[in-house]
Amino acid sequence: GAVVSQHPSWVICKSGTSVKIECRSLDFQATTMFWYRQFPKQSLMLMATSNEGSKATYEQGVEKDKFLINHASLTLSTLTVTSAHPEDSSFYICSAKGLAGFTDTQYFGPGTRLTVL
Amino acid sequence: QKEVEQDPGPLSVPEGAIVSLNCTYSNSAFQYFMWYRQYSRKGPELLMYTYSSGNKEDGRFTAQVDKSSKYISLFIRDSQPSDSATYLCAMRKNNAGNMLTFGGGTRLMVKP
Repeated sequence: GAVVSQHPSWVICKSGTSVKIECRSLDFQATTMFWYRQFPKQSLMLMATSNEGSKATYEQGVEKDKFLINHASLTLSTLTVTSAHPEDSSFYICSAKGLAGFTDTQYFGPGTRLTVL
Repeated sequence: QKEVEQDPGPLSVPEGAIVSLNCTYSNSAFQYFMWYRQYSRKGPELLMYTYSSGNKEDGRFTAQVDKSSKYISLFIRDSQPSDSATYLCAMRKNNAGNMLTFGGGTRLMVKP
C-alpha cells in the first residue's frame, strides 16, 4: 500500500519552455501533497505544500509564478515549471500524505529528473 | 545550526556487518521520527516510522529513539550490498501539520 507515482520519470526540454510533472497517489487518498527538489548529493528541499482544492503554500524563496502547483483531486497534483531555464535542472520529487493510520506520513514518488538545455 | 544533524558519510562496511546510522536533533518538539532509504536517482522509500521514545523492529531493521538525548538510530543487521543507498532521517513536530524536517542523509556502501 501507499504507492505514489510520478510522470514523467525524466524530461529534457529547451530553455523557455514549460514542463508539467504529475504526481499520483495510487492506492490512497492524499489530503496533502508536497513538492521537493533535490540537487546531487544533497538532501530534499521542500518547495511547496498543497492541499486538495486550495492554493499551494510555497516555501520562502520559491517563485510561485514559476512553479505552478495544482492539486486537482485527492489523488493528483501537478507541478508546472514555467519558462524553464538551465538552473531549473534538478530532481523533482513529490510526496503524498493520507488521512490517518499508515498513510499518516509522507510517501514519496520515484522522482522526475528535469534537464533544461 | 541545523535542527537535524546527520553525518553524510560515506559509511563503508563489509557484507554481513551491523550498520548503525544516527541523527541528532535540537528541538524537543519533534515527536514523530522516520527513516527513509533513497537509492540513486530514485525517490525516498519509507523504512520505519516511530512515535516518541523506544525501539521498533521490522525484519533486519531496528529504529531507536532516545528523546532524552535527542538522538535517533537505525540499525541494519546482516547488511547486504542491496542496502547500499542514502539513508535519510526525518522528524515531525506534534502541531506542525504535515511538515517534515530532514537530516542531510548518510550514504551507506555495503561491500560484498
